[in-house]
Amino acid sequence: NAGVMQNPRHLVRRRGQEARLRCSPMKGHSHVYWYRQLPEEGLKFMVYLQKENIIDESGMPKERFSAEFPKEGPSILRIQQVVRGDSAAYFCASSPQGRNSPLHFGNGTRLTVT
Amino acid sequence: AQSVTQPDIHITVSEGASLELRCNYSYGATPYLFWYVQSPGQGLQLLLKYFSGDTLVQGIKGFEAEFKRSQSSFNLRKPSVHWSDAAEYFCAVGASGSNYQLIWGAGTKLIIKP
Repeated sequence: NAGVMQNPRHLVRRRGQEARLRCSPMKGHSHVYWYRQLPEEGLKFMVYLQKENIIDESGMPKERFSAEFPKEGPSILRIQQVVRGDSAAYFCASSPQGRNSPLHFGNGTRLTVT
Repeated sequence: AQSVTQPDIHITVSEGASLELRCNYSYGATPYLFWYVQSPGQGLQLLLKYFSGDTLVQGIKGFEAEFKRSQSSFNLRKPSVHWSDAAEYFCAVGASGSNYQLIWGAGTKLIIKP
């Protein structure tokens, strides 16, 4: 009965490197959401995807950040040329449908940029 | 501007004592309100939600919350806390029909004294 799986749990990158965060939704869920949590702040929505489609990316920074959810495999959040300000916890959630169906969250990936 | 405020960053309560965690919101439309809990090293779990109807909402693990429109509040309560309730609690508000475009509070860390 696996829940939402995120890996890695912790990721350390030097400034300028790329970070790839993975999220496998719960079985039967085809909707994936990514959130970012900066220290001592609430979660901020980044992007909402369904299989092979980006539904809403209104919370994604315009540069360096991208997300995908391919037909096969996990959803990937990619951050190019990381900067110190990207250090945060990144949470993925999934749901079986959109609209009012509840979100199921993963344990998060904590990204540290040195 | 839309916002959610959780005034208490930390709260310490003795095991067996009652608990109230505060949440105030500023939102232009009729809000959908949520409380999530994050145990150490875990993802966020939905405790309860308010969409409409009875303003006193029952959730899992013995928690309840009351929606008070006049005070723009949605405080979380539990009559008697257990050591396993030690966690971080997040309040969130959203618009009708959107389960993911939520505005989140910064969280309240609950510490249980033996």
